[in-house]
Amino acid sequence: ETGVTQTPRHLVMGMTNKKSLKCEQHLGHNAMYWYKQSAKKPLELMFVYNFKEQTENNSVPSRFSPECPNSSHLFLHLHTLQPEDSALYLCASSQGPRIKLKEGYTFGSGTRLTVV
Amino acid sequence: GENVEQHPSTLSVQEGDSAVIKCTYSDSASNYFPWYKQELGKRPQLIIDIRSNVGEKKDQRIAVTLNKTAKHFSLHITETQPEDSAVYFCAAKREYGNKLVFGAGTILRVKS
Repeated sequence: ETGVTQTPRHLVMGMTNKKSLKCEQHLGHNAMYWYKQSAKKPLELMFVYNFKEQTENNSVPSRFSPECPNSSHLFLHLHTLQPEDSALYLCASSQGPRIKLKEGYTFGSGTRLTVV
Repeated sequence: GENVEQHPSTLSVQEGDSAVIKCTYSDSASNYFPWYKQELGKRPQLIIDIRSNVGEKKDQRIAVTLNKTAKHFSLHITETQPEDSAVYFCAAKREYGNKLVFGAGTILRVKS
């Protein structure tokens, strides 16, 4: 186990549903990230949290709402999503904004989201 | 905004041959350049990274070269093996910035 755990692994939801993705890291890191991975597209940064404070919102639609109650936990609340939001949502963590060589970001296994 | 271009999108090589993947970045303030490997159904994992104060770094069969003037960097894999088959992502970031910007990825297939 790499130390970043995401649940659930798979999620199917209707466009009117409300669901939440959870990420937890046990590495003592201070920064956490949400990325969206769609087929044939770059990993898209969605949100960045440093020491529980949101420091980056990469023009993400308001139907995605992040929450970071502490440095170890990160949530992504979802509501009224569209089919094009179907993707793999990856959580990552790092020690801080400055990355130590050979450490990089540690990614979770992701949540495969399907919006029907 | 920041942008990272990655080429080729797919690459097939014979086992034992070398593979080269190239990336260019747009933000001249970028100084940290990692490469990630993502096997099918698994999470991206860091394989090598470099800062802009060096031009080349090697770790066994993999190496990364950086040309800061031209704003491009490359991943070199020598003596490729079937287990090298995966998607490889390059990325770039400023020293204290919050944005690690990824390229679109290269699907590497090593044929035995």
